Amino acid sequence: AQSVTQPDIHITVSEGASLELRCNYSYGATPYLFWYVQSPGQGLQLLLKYFSGDTLVQGIKGFEAEFKRSQSSFNLRKPSVHWSDAAEYFCAVGLSSNTGKLIFGQGTTLQVKP
Amino acid sequence: DVKVTQSSRYLVKRTGEKVFLECVQDMDHENMFWYRQDPGLGLRLIYFSYDVKMKEKGDIPEGYSVSREKKERFSLILESASTNQTSMYLCASRTPPGLQEQYFGPGTRLTVT
Repeated sequence: AQSVTQPDIHITVSEGASLELRCNYSYGATPYLFWYVQSPGQGLQLLLKYFSGDTLVQGIKGFEAEFKRSQSSFNLRKPSVHWSDAAEYFCAVGLSSNTGKLIFGQGTTLQVKP
Repeated sequence: DVKVTQSSRYLVKRTGEKVFLECVQDMDHENMFWYRQDPGLGLRLIYFSYDVKMKEKGDIPEGYSVSREKKERFSLILESASTNQTSMYLCASRTPPGLQEQYFGPGTRLTVT
């Protein structure tokens, strides 16, 4: 069955430090992959997406992610974290281009220390 | 900008009540979705709709129904609310087929007492 795993439930980094959030998926075909961010009390906002082509994708707010088919991973990175990046981050895989259904990971909560 | 609105940010209902959660999108999207979000479980799909009057069950449809009479509006109905339906409910709509991106509303935090 298709699934998405975010191994880290909670991560704390210092402001200015680099960040990597892990995401592993299980899906038989070529996946559509997404990272969303949810600030407290808000809905989800799309950070970036991968459909095909270049495996390193750039998103908003200085985030990037790299698709590694051999590792079934789509990790999110940012070279220097800002306090405003504190939020919950969700990785998702798209099952079908027709229905648009997504399967989400459990989420990773990012705390940023001053 | 795409706008997805949900009728309430916070809602408190009693066990056994019938509850309606409304979602409206302004971008003429065909596909709309209802999720519930619980700590440690991420988002789980309740129902989705790919056209007016068309709906399909998601992963956790039990205890819920939906209605889509107009393209812009997708309603989630709890026929008889129970305490285990206390959760955050998120609505989303989707760009045309092939692009996949879903746009989310701000969510409704429902408490059933």
